[in-house]
Amino acid sequence: AIQMTQSPSSLSASVGDRVTITCRASQGIRNDLGWYQQKPGKAPKLLIYAASSLQSGVPSRFSGSGSGTDFTLTISSLQPEDFATYYCLQDYNYPFTFGPGTKVDIK
Amino acid sequence: EVQLVESGGVVVQPGGSLRLSCAASGFTFDDYTMHWVRQAPGKGLEWVSLISWDGGSTYYADSVKGRFTISRDNSKNSLYLQMNSLRTEDTALYYCASLGPYNYWGQGTLVTVSS
Repeated sequence: AIQMTQSPSSLSASVGDRVTITCRASQGIRNDLGWYQQKPGKAPKLLIYAASSLQSGVPSRFSGSGSGTDFTLTISSLQPEDFATYYCLQDYNYPFTFGPGTKVDIK
Repeated sequence: EVQLVESGGVVVQPGGSLRLSCAASGFTFDDYTMHWVRQAPGKGLEWVSLISWDGGSTYYADSVKGRFTISRDNSKNSLYLQMNSLRTEDTALYYCASLGPYNYWGQGTLVTVSS
């Protein structure tokens, strides 16, 4: 199975900060990667699919990039509602695998 | 409005069995590949299983392969997960979901495996 790693595992940031989260695959996955946001007690929400495509209704401050093994989620200006845990998911082959998550909290 | 409603989560003893259900509405269920994803308390997300739109293809995480069976009944707009030989490490909130750009999730059903 493809292993997904994320860094950092957690970060503290302030409103207005630019935040970058990295996801790395143990082998090439083309651009078959999604980014999800999860808030406590809620189901995950898709932000980015196909590595860089913004899901409908998601604010444009979220962006994704990368292909192959290295991917990045960027929040250009962190908003109060963005404090959450973020996960990457590879859907290149089976079994699909999530990264371990990155928790973004308030500095 | 799209809705996915999971049910069937209970407390079960190790070695026991359980069947989860997911009722779908508000979208054309049989157009979509469907998934089960779980989350142990305080832990991250784990993809569990997938079934193609027609039920012809199924895939599983290594951690559940041979113990869990995914199925669907498109006439009832329903997804299922048969869970056998349950272990304490299967304790989790189980979500049904369609992944990809048409991305819908239920609110989950809690399975607790404990003696």
